[in-house]
Amino acid sequence: AQTVTQSQPEMSVQEAETVTLSCTYDTSENNYYLFWYKQPPSRQMILVIRQEAYKQQNATENRFSVNFQKAAKSFSLKISDSQLGDTAMYFCAFMKHVASGGSNYKLTFGKGTLLTVNP
Amino acid sequence: SQTIHQWPATLVQPVGSPLSLECTVEGTSNPNLYWYRQAAGRGLQLLFYSVGIGQISSEVPQNLSASRPQDRQFILSSKKLLLSDSGFYLCAWKKTGNTIYFGEGSWLTVV
Repeated sequence: AQTVTQSQPEMSVQEAETVTLSCTYDTSENNYYLFWYKQPPSRQMILVIRQEAYKQQNATENRFSVNFQKAAKSFSLKISDSQLGDTAMYFCAFMKHVASGGSNYKLTFGKGTLLTVNP
Repeated sequence: SQTIHQWPATLVQPVGSPLSLECTVEGTSNPNLYWYRQAAGRGLQLLFYSVGIGQISSEVPQNLSASRPQDRQFILSSKKLLLSDSGFYLCAWKKTGNTIYFGEGSWLTVV
């Protein structure tokens, strides 16, 4: 079974600074997808960024970028120019294709990192 | 564009009472649908997923059940709630592409 580990339960950063959230995963699959989701106090789960395992280039979305190290099974999230609105719980998630009588994909989540951006 | 709605947003139910949480997806057809639970403010656990009408797969044995009576409707139910069923429930969907999108969530408190 796949596991996702986020070793930092909580982190804090000053506004406008850069912060990196760590994530490692364990899988025997070669083709899979990795995601970072953000959960603000409203509790809605919002997609931040995604990475396909077959792509060597690291994904980037505005101030958010990842460092994907496939051999090391590491997928960290870097937030540049942190803003107060970035305060949220951040979840790393892994998805593989599950072919069990029908096409389906399932997400496995880490336990999350609570990020606080301080003014 | 596609949207997903869950209701009710908040629910307080006594132990032993029934439960029905509904989820509807708009703007797409034949999506994969999911129910996740987030207990104690951490971690998400996949409860059920569905690849089509009437097709339900359960991930964790529990006091809950799911149904998909229509293509874009996914319902989470219980006949008799337990205290341990309290938590935040999230419905999610996936169509083309390899990304799962989540609804607003429903808070369930069993008292």
